[in-house]
Amino acid sequence: ETGVTQTPRHLVMGMTNKKSLKCEQHLGHNAMYWYKQSAKKPLELMFVYNFKEQTENNSVPSRFSPECPNSSHLFLHLHTLQPEDSALYLCASSQDIDFAATYGYTFGSGTRLTVV
Amino acid sequence: SQQGEEDPQALSIQEGENATMNCSYKTSINNLQWYRQNSGRGLVHLILIRSNEREKHSGRLRVTLDTSKKSSSLLITASRAADTASYFCATSNYGQNFVFGPGTRLSVLP
Repeated sequence: ETGVTQTPRHLVMGMTNKKSLKCEQHLGHNAMYWYKQSAKKPLELMFVYNFKEQTENNSVPSRFSPECPNSSHLFLHLHTLQPEDSALYLCASSQDIDFAATYGYTFGSGTRLTVV
Repeated sequence: SQQGEEDPQALSIQEGENATMNCSYKTSINNLQWYRQNSGRGLVHLILIRSNEREKHSGRLRVTLDTSKKSSSLLITASRAADTASYFCATSNYGQNFVFGPGTRLSVLP
C-alpha cells in the first residue's frame, strides 16, 4: 500500500446516476490531486488542492465536482456522466504543491469507472 | 506545452536484457521524474532528476538528462518479468504542476 487509498476500486454507473469517488491519504501530505487516465491518452490533471484550497481546475466539466473537507480526504462527486468519461481516476498526494517538485507524487491505485 | 513524450510507445525484451526508454520535452524544466504503472494500478515514483544533474542511479535504474537536447532516458538493467509495466516521464517547471507523457509500455518476456 502506498498510503493513498481510493475507493471504490471499480464503479459502474448509469448516465443518470450520482456517485462519489473517495481518496484518503495517511502520509500527512497537504496537497491532493485528481487525475484522469483514459486509454491511449496521457494522464490529465483535473483538480489540485493545497491545504484544502482548490488551486487548479483544469477546465473540467461541471459534471465532475471535487470536495476536500480536510487535508487527508478528497472526493470526486459525479453526476450525469457520459460514456466518454469512462476511465481510470487516480488520486495523488504530495507534501505540498511545491514539494511535489522535489519528492514527487504518491498515487493511489485508482478507481476504474465505467459509464453505461 | 512542456509535455514529455516517451519513446518508444512499446518495447518487448527478453528477461536479462537491458531496457532503454526515452523522454523528450519541449520547454525548460526544473526537474523530471519517472514513474512506473502496473496494469490498471496507480503510478509509483521511481526517480527524480533535477535540471542541474546529468545522471542518477537507483538500484537497476539509471536516468540521464540532457537539457540541451531536452531529453531524458531511463535504463533498466538486467530486466525481470516483474519490470513489465508502463513507464511515464513527468516534467515540471517552477510553480507549475507536473505534466505526464503518454508512456512506454514495457514487456519483459521470460
